[in-house]
Amino acid sequence: AQTVTQSQPEMSVQEAETVTLSCTYDTSESDYYLFWYKQPPSRQMILVIRQEAYKQQNATENRFSVNFQKAAKSFSLKISDSQLGDAAMYFCAYAPRDGSRLTFGEGTQLTVNP
Amino acid sequence: DADVTQTPRNRITKTGKRIMLECSQTKGHDRMYWYRQDPGLGLRLIYYSFDVKDINKGEISDGYSVSRQAQAKFSLSLESAIPNQTALYFCATTAGVGAYNEQFFGPGTRLTVL
Repeated sequence: AQTVTQSQPEMSVQEAETVTLSCTYDTSESDYYLFWYKQPPSRQMILVIRQEAYKQQNATENRFSVNFQKAAKSFSLKISDSQLGDAAMYFCAYAPRDGSRLTFGEGTQLTVNP
Repeated sequence: DADVTQTPRNRITKTGKRIMLECSQTKGHDRMYWYRQDPGLGLRLIYYSFDVKDINKGEISDGYSVSRQAQAKFSLSLESAIPNQTALYFCATTAGVGAYNEQFFGPGTRLTVL
């Protein structure tokens, strides 16, 4: 079974600074997808960024980028120029190639200090 | 209007009561999911359905049942609620073509079992 681990329950960053959230996963599959979801206090789940395992290039979405290390089974999220609105719970998630289901990590609570 | 809706948004009930959480979507997606979120555990899959005639157990299905009344509707029932079912419940949908299709989440239902 696949597992996803986020070893940082809480992180904090100063506004305008950069922060990196860590995620590791375990799978025996060679082709799969990885995601980062954001959950603000409104509790809505919002997709931040996604990565296909067969693509070597790291995904980027504006201020959000990932460092995907397939051999190490690591998938970290970098937030540049942090903004107050980035404060949220962040979840890393894994999906197999057929997209049948998501497996989530435990979450990292990010605080952005003004 | 929201694409994925959940009712009720909040519910307080007593141990032993039967309760149903409802999910509706207007995205025309075939795949629907029920997750439960607990602090420190992330989101865990309860049940999922790929079409009206297809129901599958997730990793924590004990104590829950589901009904897929139509393509657009997927309900989760707790036959006899117990306090450790107190959690935040999410419904999600995806088109089902592949994992790259984003899972769209409802706003969540906060359930408290006394």
